Amino acid sequence: DAGITQSPRYKITETGRQVTLMCHQTWSHSYMFWYRQDLGHGLRLIYYSAAADITDKGEVPDGYVVSRSKTENFPLTLESATRSQTSVYFCASSGTGMVETQYFGPGTRLLVL
Amino acid sequence: AQSVTQLGSHVSVSEGALVLLRCNYSSSVPPYLFWYVQYPNQGLQLLLKYTSAATLVKGINGFEAEFKKSETSFHLTKPSAHMSDAAEYFCAVNQNTGFQKLVFGTGTRLLVSP
Repeated sequence: DAGITQSPRYKITETGRQVTLMCHQTWSHSYMFWYRQDLGHGLRLIYYSAAADITDKGEVPDGYVVSRSKTENFPLTLESATRSQTSVYFCASSGTGMVETQYFGPGTRLLVL
Repeated sequence: AQSVTQLGSHVSVSEGALVLLRCNYSSSVPPYLFWYVQYPNQGLQLLLKYTSAATLVKGINGFEAEFKKSETSFHLTKPSAHMSDAAEYFCAVNQNTGFQKLVFGTGTRLLVSP
């Protein structure tokens, strides 16, 4: 199906473990984004990518790693998960331009014990 | 850096009543502004956006927002609330970095009672 998908939808892990969240879009959008959503903070940008092999930090990048070897995929890795990384993670994609609509995936709910 | 402030983390209305969700922005240059809606257990979807073409912007599901430069506001309204409007609403501003790098407000949860 066309659109933007995330996997897994739910994940429970333990502190210190590595976790990778997957994001896939079928529109061939240039830009992709990772956000985390926490109560009282709204959505905060973790990393974004302008194209394959081009990534940059957002507002809260510490503890996260991203890669983008293909236009359609943008995985987010927590190298050593911490309890403070318990959150809901959203991936989004958009075309180029400052008024392009960002299209969001359904989210991944991550619990770090 | 640009930012948006959403007044009221929760707003309660009765079905059929006016919906007013407030958003104020801080920007030294004309901003691009957006309203997104998030239904339970879903991602965000665009309601409407201000791109300087018109100050009154109409969106989906009967929502609209008016850009008021003098008040630095972009409040979201709907004349008559429906039960299906219950959701969380986010205002966002583009940081004018050459592409769409959004800064979101903290969100307002709209509760609609019968």
